[in-house]
Amino acid sequence: GEEVAQTPKHLVRGEGQKAKLYCAPIKGHSYVFWYQQVLKNEFKFLISFQNENVFDETGMPKERFSAKCLPNSPCSLEIQATKLEDSAVYFCASSPRGNRGDGYTFGSGTRLTVV
Amino acid sequence: RKEVEQDPGPFNVPEGATVAFNCTYSNSASQSFFWYRQDCRKEPKLLMSVYSSGNEDGRFTAQLNRASQYISLLIRDSKLSDSATYLCVALTPSSYKLIFGSGTRLLVRP
Repeated sequence: GEEVAQTPKHLVRGEGQKAKLYCAPIKGHSYVFWYQQVLKNEFKFLISFQNENVFDETGMPKERFSAKCLPNSPCSLEIQATKLEDSAVYFCASSPRGNRGDGYTFGSGTRLTVV
Repeated sequence: RKEVEQDPGPFNVPEGATVAFNCTYSNSASQSFFWYRQDCRKEPKLLMSVYSSGNEDGRFTAQLNRASQYISLLIRDSKLSDSATYLCVALTPSSYKLIFGSGTRLLVRP
């Protein structure tokens, strides 16, 4: 399809619980990016993939966050032992070529609320 | 200092007004710049790319000044539907990640 599909749309977790978010990129897009948007519109880059390989993980809080993009499966972002400050909207984007910022397509996001 | 900085606004303007947003970036290696629009915490959508020569798309004009590391967006004849948050974005050339400004909120009133 021509959209980036993110599931679930909303996720509520108690502190300390695990959260897993999914992203199906547009078919044929080689790059997948994860961003976290907290209050006040601050977008934070988390991680990117080129096909199933990690391309840039400089934004990942490595203690509790992990991500994968496996062949023939949606990409996933997992947060172990969630904290209140993990509450945010998590956007996934895909791009056919990484070097064209106008080629990005964003999914509609997953709103994570940690209570 | 943030890599991309914007005035957060809000800009509150009447319909038909002309409004200008500014943005500065700190990474001189950045080559590509964009304006995205975001409505009510939905996904950001590309509004337009920004070129040194300036580019126009209908009521929207974007400009890049590489010497000053400054980007602008001009909206003419504002419509109610233009109300949104406008995000100034730079593409990091080495890692292809987008660096977002914190956004400028525009409210167009009748």
